[in-house]
Amino acid sequence: SQQGEEDPQALSIQEGENATMNCSYKTSINNLQWYRQNSGRGLVHLILIRSNEREKHSGRLRVTLDTSKKSSSLLITASRAADTASYFCATDAISGSRLTFGEGTQLTVNP
Amino acid sequence: DAGVIQSPRHEVTEMGQEVTLRCKPISGHNSLFWYRQTMMRGLELLIYFNNNVPIDDSGMPEDRFSAKMPNASFSTLKIQPSEPRDSAVYFCASSAANYGYTFGSGTRLTVV
Repeated sequence: SQQGEEDPQALSIQEGENATMNCSYKTSINNLQWYRQNSGRGLVHLILIRSNEREKHSGRLRVTLDTSKKSSSLLITASRAADTASYFCATDAISGSRLTFGEGTQLTVNP
Repeated sequence: DAGVIQSPRHEVTEMGQEVTLRCKPISGHNSLFWYRQTMMRGLELLIYFNNNVPIDDSGMPEDRFSAKMPNASFSTLKIQPSEPRDSAVYFCASSAANYGYTFGSGTRLTVV
């Protein structure tokens, strides 16, 4: 089964609105990463947050991590139509050295 | 850097044929990963290498699948014989320790 589980599975918003996606995981982690995938393309690394960090920003992206709840959220502010994609969280577990991906959230930003 | 390079981009083959997928990781990255993506199962890790050595191949579905990394700049994933249920997009990714992965554009495999 997948280590990370994203919520919601699909999200549709209007351009300019904020989009929030959540991820829950099961085991202890070294870090958690968010990726984006446009249809028919490979995954693109967005941001990495380490287990001792609680929040991280990168441009319009804001990621939070709550290790006590084993959850993370990705916030995209002032969304654009070009943000339409699938977003995946991936965990780097302490017990291993490879990422395990969730099933993703399909974000649609309507112009 | 051109990123992770995979070839071919698309492959259509008949059931029973051998398929070889190729990957060139980013220079200096010491880890290489092969993933498979399908609608039904999402992204599945098949195998990964660290410093050219296979570390975990527990995700390889069957003996029909094999992977090699003869040097730091090249890896192959081979399916022999191929079956229709192997149809998927196969991604190669590479990374340096404690950094995010860089994915290739993938190989879309169709076995008919």
